[in-house]
Amino acid sequence: DQQVKQNSPSLSVQEGRISILNCDYTNSMFDYFLWYKKYPAEGPTFLISISSIKDKNEDGRFTVFLNKSAKHLSLHIVPSQPGDSAVYFCAASVGSGGGADGLTFGKGTHLIIQP
Amino acid sequence: DVKVTQSSRYLVKRTGEKVFLECVQDMDHENMFWYRQDPGLGLRLIYFSYDVKMKEKGDIPEGYSVSREKKERFSLILESASTNQTSMYLCASSLVGQGDEKLFFGSGTQLSVL
Repeated sequence: DQQVKQNSPSLSVQEGRISILNCDYTNSMFDYFLWYKKYPAEGPTFLISISSIKDKNEDGRFTVFLNKSAKHLSLHIVPSQPGDSAVYFCAASVGSGGGADGLTFGKGTHLIIQP
Repeated sequence: DVKVTQSSRYLVKRTGEKVFLECVQDMDHENMFWYRQDPGLGLRLIYFSYDVKMKEKGDIPEGYSVSREKKERFSLILESASTNQTSMYLCASSLVGQGDEKLFFGSGTQLSVL
C-alpha cells in the first residue's frame, strides 16, 4: 500500500513560469515532510521540508504548502529555471526527531523545464 | 559538509555472484540506510541501521543482507545476485536528534546483473 503518492510521473513547464508538484499521503501519523531533488546518476539532495505544525515553508524560489485535512502537500518553484529539470521526490516521516526508520518516499515526478 | 561515499558508481555482475556494496559516511551519524531506486517505483528502503552491529529490515529486504561493524561503514550484501536486483542503490545517513529527518545520500551505485 503506497503511503506517499505522486500521481504525476512527469511535468513540463516553460522557463520563468511556476512549477507545481503535488504529493498526497495516506498515513495520518506522518508529521514531517520533505522534498528531494535528483539528477541522473546522482544521489537525491535535500530541497525543503515542512513540519505538520506549519502550513507553509519558503526558501528562496521554493515554497512547500501543507494541507493536513486533505493530506496533501505541494512544492512551488517560482520562477522555474533550466537547472530545475530533475526528478523530485516527496518524502514523509513520523516524527522529526531523527528517528531511525528512514523516510517513506513517493515514486517521483520528473520535472522538465522548457526553454 | 556531510559526505556519504559509495565505493563504486557502476558495477556489472553475473547471476549468482556475491556482491558487496560499500558505503562510508564521515559525519559520525548514528543512522544509515540502503535504498534502491527503480523507474516508476521511487526509492524503496531495503535495510537500515541505527547503531553499530544493529540492523533492521526495511520494506524490501528479501535477497539482501547488511553489515555494520563500524559506525561510519554500512555494507549491503547480495548473497546470490539475480537479474531483478539490477537497480540504482543509494546509501544514506542521518543524525539522531538533529531536529529533522534529513537524510544525506551518496551518489549511488548502478548495479547491472547479467
